[in-house]
Amino acid sequence: QQQVKQSPQSLIVQKGGISIINCAYENTAFDYFPWYQQFPGKGPALLIAIRPDVSEKKEGRFTISFNKSAKQFSLHIMDSQPGDSATYFCAAPNQGGKLIFGQGTELSVKP
Amino acid sequence: EPEVTQTPSHQVTQMGQEVILRCVPISNHLYFYWYRQILGQKVEFLVSFYNNEISEKSEIFDDQFSVERPDGSNFTLKIRSTKLEDSAMYFCASTREGWTNEKLFFGSGTQLSVL
Repeated sequence: QQQVKQSPQSLIVQKGGISIINCAYENTAFDYFPWYQQFPGKGPALLIAIRPDVSEKKEGRFTISFNKSAKQFSLHIMDSQPGDSATYFCAAPNQGGKLIFGQGTELSVKP
Repeated sequence: EPEVTQTPSHQVTQMGQEVILRCVPISNHLYFYWYRQILGQKVEFLVSFYNNEISEKSEIFDDQFSVERPDGSNFTLKIRSTKLEDSAMYFCASTREGWTNEKLFFGSGTQLSVL
């Protein structure tokens, strides 16, 4: 069973701080690593994604860092805002088209 | 931006009853999925569907579950005889390029409560 392990389970950050969420994967066949953002009562929405041919991808305040040798990737949210408070899921697809999600991180950004 | 729409938003049913959850995927998408999320837990894959047939299913998707695309727009998940442990948020998702899972669009979900 392919696994994606995510940490921490919950995170509290002050406004303006940096939020860091980590994921580790097992299967090297994965070739696409997305992060999804989920607000209460809503479905997950794609936030940012990276392919393993690059080590970092940045979109605005959101950055994915990828470490292929360690089989880890992380999400960094710079200048965190209260509106960023949500649950964040890392994920990876298997060859069959199934997206495997991490356990989720509940982020709370305090004003 | 195009949306995946799901109905109903909430469904309450008695244990043993059949329920049908409905979804309208994005119109030019070809790959369709059902996921579920038990309260406070991760999003779990149930089934993927392409070209009018199931392409992959999880161990959760047993004989009590079925999916159907009855026309050109709807995609349904049927649970024949609901159990208490089926209570969860069920998400429909779709994508145009299934094999990469890029831009997987999720609906807002149907909260199923089995009493």
